[in-house]
Amino acid sequence: AQSVAQPEDQVNVAEGNPLTVKCTYSVSGNPYLFWYVQYPNRGLQFLLKYITGDNLVKGSYGFEAEFNKSQTSFHLKKPSALVSDSALYFCAVSALVSNTGKLIFGQGTTLQVKP
Amino acid sequence: DSGVTQTPKHLITATGQRVTLRCSPRSGDLSVYWYQQSLDQGLQFLIQYYNGEERAKGNILERFSAQQFPDLHSELNLSSLELGDSALYFCASSRPINYGYTFGSGTRLTVV
Repeated sequence: AQSVAQPEDQVNVAEGNPLTVKCTYSVSGNPYLFWYVQYPNRGLQFLLKYITGDNLVKGSYGFEAEFNKSQTSFHLKKPSALVSDSALYFCAVSALVSNTGKLIFGQGTTLQVKP
Repeated sequence: DSGVTQTPKHLITATGQRVTLRCSPRSGDLSVYWYQQSLDQGLQFLIQYYNGEERAKGNILERFSAQQFPDLHSELNLSSLELGDSALYFCASSRPINYGYTFGSGTRLTVV
């Protein structure tokens, strides 16, 4: 069965510092991996995805994520955090072999960027 | 505007009642997914439809049902509502599958 783990409920970082939001996954076969962001009272917005190819994926708003197959991880990173990055971040996985495209989401990590 | 439209945005109803949530997918998207987001359960996959047919089922209660119509809009029906059904219900659509979703802004259901 597919599963996603986001081990940190909350990540606190100072503005201007680099940030990392962690994600590990479990899936049969090759994964499709995604990061979404949710601002208060809003729907989820797509940040980036890994399908195949380069392990370093660049996405919206300066975010990037690194796919590590041996560690089954897909951590979200940003070199310099902004206060406006404060939000709830979700990692999600879909099995490549799946014919449904169903995404399984992690529990979410709240990112708090302090000025 | 993501292109996925959910109505209503807010719904307050009493226990035991039935409600219908509506979702119009982004133009050209054939797959519609329903998720429930609650504080203690996170984002739970409920059900997926692809071009009118049920494709995958998740942790959807028997009191809940859904369908996708020929014009591709979808409805999620929640009946015999309980306090614990209070949550945000999201619809998402995709084209093609496995390339990620576009989410609607959700329906906040409050059962009193």
